[in-house]
Amino acid sequence: EPEVTQTPSHQVTQMGQEVILRCVPISNHLYFYWYRQILGQKVEFLVSFYNNEISEKSEIFDDQFSVERPDGSNFTLKIRSTKLEDSAMYFCASSERWQGARDTQYFGPGTRLTVL
Amino acid sequence: QKEVEQNSGPLSVPEGAIASLNCTYSDRGSQSFFWYRQYSGKSPELIMFIYSNGDKEDGRFTAQLNKASQYVSLLIRDSQPSDSATYLCAVNIVGRGNKLVFGAGTILRVKS
Repeated sequence: EPEVTQTPSHQVTQMGQEVILRCVPISNHLYFYWYRQILGQKVEFLVSFYNNEISEKSEIFDDQFSVERPDGSNFTLKIRSTKLEDSAMYFCASSERWQGARDTQYFGPGTRLTVL
Repeated sequence: QKEVEQNSGPLSVPEGAIASLNCTYSDRGSQSFFWYRQYSGKSPELIMFIYSNGDKEDGRFTAQLNKASQYVSLLIRDSQPSDSATYLCAVNIVGRGNKLVFGAGTILRVKS
């Protein structure tokens, strides 16, 4: 069964460093998302992406964050200058096509980001 | 602020019993609702979605939706120890794109 994959599974970085989290969405999916979950807290929406542009973003997704689809398979989340509070699990998700409210999102296994 | 509320639990049920998980949401215009299961340290795994008022059954799982009361529930019949996890209720908010708003989740413990 097709699935979303993410690399690395765990990333440790120093505060102020740039990190790139990578995702390979399900191959025929067109809509891509990033969420994060701080330990013990809710899963929070960061950004949605379609047709090589951001569809929607949350207040969390400030200028330190960017997303890109550099080729036909990868979808990346970049954090330019990491802060301690960026430590979290980052989940990539994808959905097949626009179904409005019926869009069903499938999640990857996540990348645990630890900022020291 | 669109909110999704869940009782954090833990909800403890004996093996073979019915587990009932509940969720309320604040946005009266919401149209689609999802239940995800999350094991500790893992990602959310889709269990079911429901769009229409009433019940929707899939194997041991039944989702129930009451839009007038802004209430969604998930019933798990014949609960197994492997069902022990956190169950996340999510509401799809449609804007320029879609985004899921999650509740904090209910911890379910099934005791053998």
